[in-house]
Amino acid sequence: DVVMTQSPLSLPVTPGEPASMSCRSRQSLLHSNGYNYLNWYLQKPGQSPQLLIYLGSNRASGVPDRFSGSGSGTEFTLKISRVEAEDVGVYYCMQSLQTPSFGQGTKLEIK
Amino acid sequence: QVQLVESGGGVVQPGGSLRLSCATSGFTLRNFGMHWVRQAPGKGLEWVAFIRYDAKNEYYADSVRGRFTISRDDSKNTLYLQMNNLRAEDTAVYYCAKDQSSWTYSYMDVWGKGTTVTVSS
Repeated sequence: DVVMTQSPLSLPVTPGEPASMSCRSRQSLLHSNGYNYLNWYLQKPGQSPQLLIYLGSNRASGVPDRFSGSGSGTEFTLKISRVEAEDVGVYYCMQSLQTPSFGQGTKLEIK
Repeated sequence: QVQLVESGGGVVQPGGSLRLSCATSGFTLRNFGMHWVRQAPGKGLEWVAFIRYDAKNEYYADSVRGRFTISRDDSKNTLYLQMNNLRAEDTAVYYCAKDQSSWTYSYMDVWGKGTTVTVSS
């Protein structure tokens, strides 16, 4: 199994300020097709997860452009340029190069 | 719009069985691979199983292999998860999720709201 490690586990942020979180994999997630099989999900309180970023850096439909994903191989980052109150929740990275596995999650809260 | 609606959850004793269903709409089910993902109370997400668009291959997490079976009935636009020999640690909200790909894992682009399974005596 591919182990995914996220940090930090808790992320307090002031509205309007940027936020950044990390996801690391023990194995490279770079496929021979050139895509990194690393995806980001947000689970808002009381809701099911929703797709934010797919294949490393592609924003899903309807996701605001303040969200961006970057990285390659084993290290990935999700950035929010200006945090809004509606962004609170738990952010999960998930690899899909092998049988899917999720990170522990980063809980974003508003200061 | 694309929609996934899970059902079939409930309270069951250890060693018992349940079958979960996921009714799909708004897309052609036979063109896509499908997943089950679960979340134990207060915990993170755990992938459970995946079935290819043509049902020729199924994949399972080690924690459920041999006890759970994923299947699909495209004529009914429905995904299933047969859960046997249930354990306390299977207690969770179970989500079905659509993959963007047809034959392998890619990314889950649509999720249902989940159905709750509680295994307790």
